[in-house]
Amino acid sequence: GAVVSQHPSWVICKSGTSVKIECRSLDFQATTMFWYRQFPKQSLMLMATSNEGSKATYEQGVEKDKFLINHASLTLSTLTVTSAHPEDSSFYICSAKFDYGGQFFGPGTRLTVL
Amino acid sequence: GQQLNQSPQSMFIQEGEDVSMNCTSSSIFNTWLWYKQEPGEGPVLLIALYKAGELTSNGRLTAQFGITRKDSFLNISASIPSDVGIYFCAGDYSGGGADGLTFGKGTHLIIQP
Repeated sequence: GAVVSQHPSWVICKSGTSVKIECRSLDFQATTMFWYRQFPKQSLMLMATSNEGSKATYEQGVEKDKFLINHASLTLSTLTVTSAHPEDSSFYICSAKFDYGGQFFGPGTRLTVL
Repeated sequence: GQQLNQSPQSMFIQEGEDVSMNCTSSSIFNTWLWYKQEPGEGPVLLIALYKAGELTSNGRLTAQFGITRKDSFLNISASIPSDVGIYFCAGDYSGGGADGLTFGKGTHLIIQP
């Protein structure tokens, strides 16, 4: 299957700071990527759809001004958590769609906000 | 967002036993997917199903896309220790991956030696 990478794999930051997470498709071009959030012992919840060259589409209840998404190229999408707070601590996972349906996921980024 | 009804929530089985888990939804999906997730990692795709009634195998894993397009099951035969993990079903409305996936709550598989 296709390879999707994320960087960093984990990050610890102070409350009020911003954190950027990168998602890359390594061996294919992804016009659409997705960002999910997963709290401990829970399932993945879709946050937003990242479209190359256009604005992201956010799910209901996800603050677009807090979670900034940029999809500047066909292989890179970034998620910036602005003014992070402890309740933003979570496992953030990106994915890239493939043409015939379905998605390949990155390894995830563990964010801890102190 | 919506979630699929996945059951059972957890399973405690002996090595060598067969495993069965399923997902149901009140909505129709065009694609059903089964993923496995291990602690601290992203989900890994196991099986993708694209047609109602489709039965697909991947080694010891077999999954089916329900005729009504509102359900799917995953079977694992002759379980081994490395099968331990959390298994998620996921549905895709669009069929082409244009929308994000809706996930079940997961089935935690624990294998006792």
